[in-house]
Amino acid sequence: KQEVTQIPAALSVPEGENLVLNCSFTDSAIYNLQWFRQDPGKGLTSLLLIQSSQREQTSGRLNASLDKSSGRSTLYIAASQPGDSATYLCAVSNDYKLSFGAGTTVTVRA
Amino acid sequence: DTAVSQTPKYLVTQMGNDKSIKCEQNLGHDTMYWYKQDSKKFLKIMFSYNNKELIINETVPNRFSPKSPDKAHLNLHINSLELGDSAVYFCASSQDIGAIAPQHFGDGTRLSIL
Repeated sequence: KQEVTQIPAALSVPEGENLVLNCSFTDSAIYNLQWFRQDPGKGLTSLLLIQSSQREQTSGRLNASLDKSSGRSTLYIAASQPGDSATYLCAVSNDYKLSFGAGTTVTVRA
Repeated sequence: DTAVSQTPKYLVTQMGNDKSIKCEQNLGHDTMYWYKQDSKKFLKIMFSYNNKELIINETVPNRFSPKSPDKAHLNLHINSLELGDSAVYFCASSQDIGAIAPQHFGDGTRLSIL
């Protein structure tokens, strides 16, 4: 059974600092890994999807890396802004379904 | 133009009642999902449908019955509601089966059982 862990559970940083969010998973036989953002009272917004054959994906200030063999992914957010405050969820895909971590709640202080 | 829409957004009801949550996607996707997010914020898959056929049923009590009248809709009916059913339920869709393509989520339905 796939288990996904995200560390830290919460993070508070001053504006402008870079963010590093970690995700680990137990079963490396994945199709892909997705990073989502969840705002309070809202659904999930897909940020980045990394296929199992890829090592990283970039979108604007966001960069996600994937090391499938060690079961790890890292989401980097450069030059954080107050608007980046949200919960970030990591999800891995195998056996035709997504398994989610509990998320990292980020607060960026102005 | 909402891609995945769920109704209602909030649902407050008493234990023992029967209720339904509706989901519609206008993305032309073949696969739809229901997830449950509990108080600890873990999201867990409940059901997955592909082209109106049930693909995944994750040991969900049979009080929960999904229905897909067409590819664009996946509704969730819950019988004899219990306190433990209180959670946020999310509908999602993706282009195809296998969770290979990105999944698009609705805003969730917050179910509270009194």
